[in-house]
Formats: sequence, C-alpha cells, structure tokens
Amino acid sequence: DAGVIQSPRHEVTEMGQEVTLRCKPISGHDYLFWYRQTMMRGLELLIYFNNNVPIDDSGMPEDRFSAKMPNASFSTLKIQPSEPRDSAVYFCASSLVWGQGAPQYFGPGTRLLVL
Amino acid sequence: GQQVMQIPQYQHVQEGEDFTTYCNSSTTLSNIQWYKQRPGGHPVFLIQLVKSGEVKKQKRLTFQFGEAKKNSSLHITATQTTDVGTYFCAGNRDDKIIFGKGTRLHILP
Repeated sequence: DAGVIQSPRHEVTEMGQEVTLRCKPISGHDYLFWYRQTMMRGLELLIYFNNNVPIDDSGMPEDRFSAKMPNASFSTLKIQPSEPRDSAVYFCASSLVWGQGAPQYFGPGTRLLVL
Repeated sequence: GQQVMQIPQYQHVQEGEDFTTYCNSSTTLSNIQWYKQRPGGHPVFLIQLVKSGEVKKQKRLTFQFGEAKKNSSLHITATQTTDVGTYFCAGNRDDKIIFGKGTRLHILP
C-alpha cells in the first residue's frame, strides 16, 4: 500500500487566499483525521471522519476552516480566507478502527506558509 | 479538560547514553500510544499499551504504562544517532485522543 497520500507537500500563499489541502487515506481505513502541527501548540486534532461522515469537528479553529470527505478515498481541508497564523504543517492520518486505540497512519504532511 | 503532559520538552544526550521521556495524563486512560517523528517527517506509530502496569520492549526501547493508567514512559538504552527525533505519547479516553507536545531528542556524537 502507498500509505496516506497528501498534496500539495508545500504551499506558499498570500493572506486572504483560499487554500485547499488534499488527502487520500489508506484503502480500507474507515477513519480519517486532520491535524495541525505548530511549535507553539504541538499536534492538534482538527476534525475526524468515520465512513465519510464528520464525527468530531470541535478542534476546527473557526469558520474559515472546513473539511469534506465526499468518498472513502478522498478528503479536503479548506481554509478561506487564509491568514498568517494558519501557517503550520497539516497532517492527514487514517486508521482501520477507532475507540480501541488503533494506530493512526500519518501522511507526509502539507507545509503551509501564509504570507 | 483532558490533558496529556510530556516531559522533558527537549533532551540532549551523548551517543550511547540512555534517554527517558515521561507522559502524564490528568485522567485515567483507556490506552496510550507512542509515536516517533523524525526531523522534517511525520509521526510514525511505535507501540500501544493497554493494560495497567504493562511493559513492552522493542529492541533498545522499553515502554511502560502506569498502574493507574495515567502515566507512561519510553526509555531508550544506549542511544544511537538514528534515535534523533521527537517522541510523542497519545492518550486515548472516551474515543478521544490527545497528543502530548513531545520530547525532542538530540544526540551528540
């Protein structure tokens, strides 16, 4: 298996622009997670899906952030409009099951810089 | 709310020395996971501990889960340069996972 795939790997944009991050989970994994990592706040869970349905979005910072999972093999995280404080590494992860502490498999991440 | 504290934040050791990172939760956990993130990389799952007092070993790495299931530790014996990275614990409770902020390990040659 190719593992979790994320694109783009790097994104540089200007404040106010829309940013879309993409993720393809491991085939057969029912759970998909979006994380944000910064030096100050560490690794933060933004939202997770089960069978394409958003289950917990309490970590989404504000209305500028939205996530979708139209099918089992694709998810997007959108920031509109972007702000400099959104600069971070965004990871997507997937797991086979949840609730029993199944391991999460992380993608390589998208390094986002908002100028 | 539920918190997972990890100490120390940074650790510098000479190659060949031992290293330990500690993870403490404010609440009892269902289980705990450990991940390693190399510089510029992504977190990679190392192990999961479920039982009270559980101890697991992976070569030079020893993982422990406290009796009260509120704390855990990762010990590396005789560190090598390949051990460089950040080690995260992740506590699971009520279907919620909380990551510690990690311990960044630097190896001095």
